[in-house]
Amino acid sequence: DAGITQSPRYKITETGRQVTLMCHQTWSHSYMFWYRQDLGHGLRLIYYSAAADITDKGEVPDGYVVSRSKTENFPLTLESATRSQTSVYFCASSGAGTGIYTFGSGTRLTVV
Amino acid sequence: AQKVTQAQTEISVVEKEDVTLDCVYETRDTTYYLFWYKQPPSGELVFLIRRNSFDEQNEISGRYSWNFQKSTSSFNFTITASQVVDSAVYFCALSNAGNNRKLIWGLGTSLAVNP
Repeated sequence: DAGITQSPRYKITETGRQVTLMCHQTWSHSYMFWYRQDLGHGLRLIYYSAAADITDKGEVPDGYVVSRSKTENFPLTLESATRSQTSVYFCASSGAGTGIYTFGSGTRLTVV
Repeated sequence: AQKVTQAQTEISVVEKEDVTLDCVYETRDTTYYLFWYKQPPSGELVFLIRRNSFDEQNEISGRYSWNFQKSTSSFNFTITASQVVDSAVYFCALSNAGNNRKLIWGLGTSLAVNP
């Protein structure tokens, strides 16, 4: 399927568990981003990547790890989930030169 | 520092009313881009428009129009003859022309259009 796909759509995990959110895009966009969306905070950037093997921290990187071994994939890992990481997570991609983001459908993560 | 302010947290209108969503931005860059995104109740974020800092012409797309004024650092969004399907959260965003292409987001305005 063409586009940007996030999985899973919903996830419930326990405190302390490791969980990985997947993001896959089919456009070969160079830029990819992970955001979390919480009431009152809008969209906050966790990590972003300008190309394969190039990643950088955003506003709220603590507790998260990313990798980008292939252009099309940008997984986000919560190494030891905490209740404060309960949120909706959005992945986005952007082609070089456009600045226009295309978003995935989001992953609603609940940490209990 | 770059910043985007959407002062209206929530707006409620009756169908067919016109409504304007305000967006004020701050940047020291001379070249930058401004965006509007829509997030309907289903949750996905949808791109609406991008405007670069050198183009101050107003944009109209159907019932949607955008007014960019550098003098007041504003990029306001107007919906004419609003419809229930326009109910959503609308985000304004700003990016510089650098390589990282990171967007600076406003906190969003929640628009409720009531029948």
